[in-house]
Amino acid sequence: GNSVTQMEGPVTLSEEAFLTINCTYTATGYPSLFWYVQYPGEGLQLLLKATKADDKGSNKGFEATYRKETTSFHLEKGSVQVSDSAVYFCALRGQAGTALIFGKGTTLSVSS
Amino acid sequence: DVKVTQSSRYLVKRTGEKVFLECVQDMDHENMFWYRQDPGLGLRLIYFSYDVKMKEKGDIPEGYSVSREKKERFSLILESASTNQTSMYLCASSWSNQPQHFGDGTRLSIL
Repeated sequence: GNSVTQMEGPVTLSEEAFLTINCTYTATGYPSLFWYVQYPGEGLQLLLKATKADDKGSNKGFEATYRKETTSFHLEKGSVQVSDSAVYFCALRGQAGTALIFGKGTTLSVSS
Repeated sequence: DVKVTQSSRYLVKRTGEKVFLECVQDMDHENMFWYRQDPGLGLRLIYFSYDVKMKEKGDIPEGYSVSREKKERFSLILESASTNQTSMYLCASSWSNQPQHFGDGTRLSIL
């Protein structure tokens, strides 16, 4: 079945450091891929998405590229801020599916 | 902007009680979802609905049921609450294959 594996946290960085959170997936066909972010005390918000191979999703300085050859969708940001501290979830929706399958989440903590 | 509203942010109930968690969305989305979120386990799908009175089991439906009598409202029901159902519950909605929009969650404690 479909599944998502993302790097375990917590990830602790200083402000302005480079961020990578790894995400790989297992799926048949051509899934859609998503990154969601959850700030403390809130629900999940869509951060970015990609719906086909080689698509790059981007938002708020974050980027992720849909790599079918490596079944990956790694999240990157060139310079993190304290306000980026949150839990990040990688997710996929199968080609014929409606519901999302989530990774276990990665906690990011950025200090000034 | 899409608004998904969950009726309670925090809820404390006792074992054996029947518990209702309510979720309302204001964007006429046909799809609605209930997840539970636990540390180290991420989000797991309990049930979803793709239309009024329609429901599909997710990955962990045991001990739960759902009701969707109106398009905007999707209720999660714990028939007889148990301590292992203490968790954060998140509701989401979506239109067709568009991304899901989430509510702020209900943190439920079963004593």
